[in-house]
Amino acid sequence: GAVVSQHPSRVICKSGTSVKIECRSLDFQATTMFWYRQFPKQSLMLMATSNEGSKATYEQGVEKDKFLINHASLTLSTLTVTSAHPEDSSFYICSARWASEAFFGQGTRLTVV
Amino acid sequence: GQSLEQPSEVTAVEGAIVQINCTYQTSGFYGLSWYQQHDGGAPTFLSYNALDGLEETGRFSSFLSRSDSYGYLLLQELQMKDSASYFCAVMNRDDKIIFGKGTRLHILP
Repeated sequence: GAVVSQHPSRVICKSGTSVKIECRSLDFQATTMFWYRQFPKQSLMLMATSNEGSKATYEQGVEKDKFLINHASLTLSTLTVTSAHPEDSSFYICSARWASEAFFGQGTRLTVV
Repeated sequence: GQSLEQPSEVTAVEGAIVQINCTYQTSGFYGLSWYQQHDGGAPTFLSYNALDGLEETGRFSSFLSRSDSYGYLLLQELQMKDSASYFCAVMNRDDKIIFGKGTRLHILP
């Protein structure tokens, strides 16, 4: 199956700093990627849809200026959590759709201290 | 709006069969998927139904009834490694995949 690689898998940062998470489709081109956030024992909540070459589409309640998304190529989307705070600590997962399947990256566990 | 309903927890015995139901409300419905997620891991794809009926993949089967906005995941010959969370997810024509809240499956020896 298709492979989506996400990096880093874990990151700890200080409150107020920014963190960048990368999501790459390794063996297919993804014009659209999705970013999800998952709190412990909860479901995956769609944050935004990343579109190659255009602005991301954010779900209601997600701050565009806080979660910056860049999809500069057909194989790479990045999510930057700006001015991170402890409440941003979560599991962030990207996915890319290929045909009827969604392929997920390994996820990034962000801890803001 | 969009919503999916599935039980929060299900318990079954090793070797048995368990069914996890999912009902959904959405516009622009394209298909229903099922994903498995072990603690600390990313979701992995299990199955996809776009048409009514049963799809079988090994020990796992998935069913869809579009007229009832209902589907289920059937797991047979349960093994301890099947203990995980299972998410149904609707795929819409706008390419988005929206997940249900997940069903935590507990398997007893």
